Amino acid sequence: QVQLVESGGDVVQPGRSLRLSCAASGFTFSSYALHWVRQAPGKGLEWVAVISSDGKIKYYADSVKGRFTISRDDSKNTLYLQMNSLRTEDTAVYYCASRGDDYWGQGTLVTVSS
Amino acid sequence: DIQMTQSPSSLSASVGDRVTITCRASQDIRNDLGWYQQKPGKAPKRLISAASSLQSGVPSRFSGSGSGTEFTLTISSLQPEDFATYYCLQHDSYPLTFGGGTMVEIK
Repeated sequence: QVQLVESGGDVVQPGRSLRLSCAASGFTFSSYALHWVRQAPGKGLEWVAVISSDGKIKYYADSVKGRFTISRDDSKNTLYLQMNSLRTEDTAVYYCASRGDDYWGQGTLVTVSS
Repeated sequence: DIQMTQSPSSLSASVGDRVTITCRASQDIRNDLGWYQQKPGKAPKRLISAASSLQSGVPSRFSGSGSGTEFTLTISSLQPEDFATYYCLQHDSYPLTFGGGTMVEIK
């Protein structure tokens, strides 16, 4: 059974950092490109970042470029999102996902507030 | 970046109604488009890939069409479990972009 479980969401002040994790099981993690997608409260879906299966290629939304870093550790079957210089507009539920086979986690809430 | 314009943003319909949702891309995305359904508090679920391919297990009342810049999701006979928010997603080029969403509500 495929599972993606996000963790690391928290309440943080603007300007601070946070790292999200996404632990995967039930599929060959190292074979998949993986994405982060977020959803602000009451708003639509926003794609955030992707990392290729070999970790060499990464793309980011303009809204997070230079502040967020996506990475993966295939030995731990875990995807990460390092979020620096957080802003109030980064407040959202963050989902990890494999677009190809439509695997999604349940999401983790990040709240950026003073 | 490719912009995805989805319409309408919301609609009210009755069980049994035919519902059509449209997404327009700001440039040609071939058929690199998926349709997703999201219910409150849940992760999105893909209904359609490659603009018109029904995902396994998705009821046949859902269908997708289009290519290039104009795409349509149709629900042929709306069922109670279909009341949700629907999104299109283009994956022709990065950054990926979602449409703004269509909330389908009960009339």
